Amino acid sequence: ELKVEQNPLFLSMQEGKNYTIYCNYSTTSDRLYWYRQDPGKSLESLFVLLSNGAVKQEGRLMASLDTKARLSTLHITAAVHDLSATYFCAVPNYGGSQGNLIFGKGTKLSVKP
Amino acid sequence: KAGVTQTPRYLIKTRGQQVTLSCSPISGHRSVSWYQQTPGQGLQFLFEYFSETQRNKGNFPGRFSGRQFSNSRSEMNVSTLELGDSALYLCASSLARGGVYEQYFGPGTRLTVT
Repeated sequence: ELKVEQNPLFLSMQEGKNYTIYCNYSTTSDRLYWYRQDPGKSLESLFVLLSNGAVKQEGRLMASLDTKARLSTLHITAAVHDLSATYFCAVPNYGGSQGNLIFGKGTKLSVKP
Repeated sequence: KAGVTQTPRYLIKTRGQQVTLSCSPISGHRSVSWYQQTPGQGLQFLFEYFSETQRNKGNFPGRFSGRQFSNSRSEMNVSTLELGDSALYLCASSLARGGVYEQYFGPGTRLTVT
């Protein structure tokens, strides 16, 4: 059974600091998704990582994928308050279909001035 | 291009009742997935439909069912509601493009069971 674990689950950061969110998954997958969710809102797609060694960057966020280690990281550079949200990683459950994503529990990020 | 729409956005029901939620995917998307989000269990996959066929189903009781119409719109139904069914129900539509299969989520329906 595919399991996806994120850590930390809660992260309180000061503006301007850097930090990394980790996402481990238990079975082989060649792709991984990162989403952002603001309170009371739906999920917004951030990154689609498609292969081993994939790295994508958007603004202060950079995501990478190591399929051999079954690990993805979401690195936050010089955090700002607008990044406060919950971040989820998700892996397709190939035992089912690509439309079946298994999500981590989410990392609730709070950026304080 | 219009995004995924879900109706209703909020719903309050009583234990034992049934409820139907609707999802209209992005135009051209033929796959629709449903997820349940609760504070305790997080985001859990319910089912996926493609071209009116259920392609996959999550680990939920038979009270949860769904269907997809020829225009790709999808509905999910929950019968005999329980308090634990209170959740945000998210629908996502998908399009496979160049090997990338990306899901676009709707705003969700927040169901409260009293």
